[in-house]
Amino acid sequence: RKEVEQDPGPFNVPEGATVAFNCTYSNSASQSFFWYRQDCRKEPKLLMSVYSSGNEDGRFTAQLNRASQYISLLIRDSKLSDSATYLCVVNRGTSYDKVIFGPGTSLSVIP
Amino acid sequence: DTAVSQTPKYLVTQMGNDKSIKCEQNLGHDTMYWYKQDSKKFLKIMFSYNNKELIINETVPNRFSPKSPDKAHLNLHINSLELGDSAVYFCASSQDWAGDNEQFFGPGTRLTVL
Repeated sequence: RKEVEQDPGPFNVPEGATVAFNCTYSNSASQSFFWYRQDCRKEPKLLMSVYSSGNEDGRFTAQLNRASQYISLLIRDSKLSDSATYLCVVNRGTSYDKVIFGPGTSLSVIP
Repeated sequence: DTAVSQTPKYLVTQMGNDKSIKCEQNLGHDTMYWYKQDSKKFLKIMFSYNNKELIINETVPNRFSPKSPDKAHLNLHINSLELGDSAVYFCASSQDWAGDNEQFFGPGTRLTVL
């Protein structure tokens, strides 16, 4: 099993739709979780950290379920500018912490 | 001001050549990384340095040699380039090596080996 797995996508949704991505991780010792966004031919950038209590930033909501070892990202009222690849990122929880990037889920928001 | 910069942005070269990619960060971070993103878009860590000291080496062929002259710079030298080395190489930095910090990425170096 891969350390971090994501919905394969691509997700093609109309503007205004709500879309959710899931991510699972295999290391129960993992402590830190993130969602990064990568636009086409650009570098990844942090979208949001994921806290145990869940967190919200505008139209974006991230949730963590430690028991089931998964993380979710919900995007409400999708905009054309949300089109990107969303990368789930998990820290490995070893002595030299190392973050593992998931393979990413591609989102296209269509007019 | 660019936080993490890489040069060159594009690199096209022949198999067997040796090439270097340079990275600099002006964020005052202690930790820097090299990642490889292949054609399937999977981002994999190659190396990590903390205050000029190598802390992660992810089973990368020894044709790849990172060098950190100071904590603001992390360069990557590749010997005897192979077709399979074609990828986008991203440099990144974070405040320290603890895994709960945001990583800031450079714009990437697109390497094509012919």
